[in-house]
Amino acid sequence: SAVISQKPSRDICQRGTSLTIQCQVDSQVTMMFWYRQQPGQSLTLIATANQGSEATYESGFVIDKFPISRPNLTFSTLTVSNMSPEDSSIYLCSVLTISYNEQFFGPGTRLTVL
Amino acid sequence: TQLLEQSPQFLSIQEGENLTVYCNSSSVFSSLQWYRQEPGEGPVLLVTVVTGGEVKKLKRLTFQFGDARKDSSLHITAAQTGDTGLYLCAALTGTASKLTFGTGTRLQVTL
Repeated sequence: SAVISQKPSRDICQRGTSLTIQCQVDSQVTMMFWYRQQPGQSLTLIATANQGSEATYESGFVIDKFPISRPNLTFSTLTVSNMSPEDSSIYLCSVLTISYNEQFFGPGTRLTVL
Repeated sequence: TQLLEQSPQFLSIQEGENLTVYCNSSSVFSSLQWYRQEPGEGPVLLVTVVTGGEVKKLKRLTFQFGDARKDSSLHITAAQTGDTGLYLCAALTGTASKLTFGTGTRLQVTL
């Protein structure tokens, strides 16, 4: 399996500020994804992080609000920009590994916006 | 409209009881997955069902894929407190490898 770490694990932020979340995988992966999980809810895909090119965003999510980088096969960042209380959620990184046809999830970053 | 509807939304039972969670859709899927998520962690894959009518067992958990591949169920026999968590069904939709998750069923098992 893939071991995925996310930083920070949790943060409390003021509205109007931005937070960058890091996702690091211990092996090369084919695809990396970012999900949002609002309190008590299921997971919603934000975007697919593409290596060396712009991320592919799902309906309802835009690059200006959620800029994503993926400089190599094992690392990606998600920035939550100009935050509001509605952005309070758990943000999860997910990967599809080369050796396993299965998605693995990171532990998530719990964000609270005041 | 949610693509994958799960029921029930919440379930609180005592240890030793049996339960069934349902995942329904109007769409046909090539496969469907079940995940369990515990607090402070990401979802962990339990099983993938591929063939209509397929039944898979994982210890006390039994998963079934509907004949028409539009629905699935998860049955837990003799639930234990360690089964507590959020159960999610998910399907690959659109471009391969993009998962759409169900609405989720939160299970609490008490002594």
